[in-house]
Amino acid sequence: IAGITQAPTSQILAAGRRMTLRCTQDMRHNAMYWYRQDLGLGLRLIHYSNTAGTTGKGEVPDGYSVSRANTDDFPLTLASAVPSQTSVYFCASSGQGGGEQFFGPGTRLTVL
Amino acid sequence: AQSVTQLDSQVPVFEEAPVELRCNYSSSVSVYLFWYVQYPNQGLQLLLKYLSGSTLVKGINGFEAEFNKSQTSFHLRKPSVHISDTAEYFCAVLSGNTGKLIFGQGTTLQVKP
Repeated sequence: IAGITQAPTSQILAAGRRMTLRCTQDMRHNAMYWYRQDLGLGLRLIHYSNTAGTTGKGEVPDGYSVSRANTDDFPLTLASAVPSQTSVYFCASSGQGGGEQFFGPGTRLTVL
Repeated sequence: AQSVTQLDSQVPVFEEAPVELRCNYSSSVSVYLFWYVQYPNQGLQLLLKYLSGSTLVKGINGFEAEFNKSQTSFHLRKPSVHISDTAEYFCAVLSGNTGKLIFGQGTTLQVKP
């Protein structure tokens, strides 16, 4: 059982380039989330999806887009990367009740 | 709006000493509270959660937390820490309106030999 996988593990990206971070879960969870983690700021929600086919904006959505074509996958796209998007990105999912979220191992993104 | 405040950004402590990591929340509705741990270069792992019932919650690795409604706190404690407990700890509250987790800024626990 893998839980949540994220790819790539790390990436260095030139400013202005397009980048998609991948997230896949095998727990059949309805809800999925993307966070960014920055020193001193904790985790901030970028986008979320309560179920396949629906998405919503979190606390810091600007410059990011998501899609949820099926239950398992929740990719995050940076259409034109900027240096302020340098961060560690975590994908998470949650099932029915309890509110507990399960996290992936993260993607470390550096935008130069 | 709900929020979470972790009162200490860093907590240095010697091995085998007790530790308390403080967390306060603001909420006008029923709360679900969580503590997560993040070891270096890893994702977040659930330590414990409070949903209802007993206000003293026991989690993994010998950690426990106490829900105090009157003080709106959910402090994390361990009676004797190990070097392996060195990590970042996050307190979080589940928003009753949105169903999403709201995280505190994190507390770095540094256990020294």
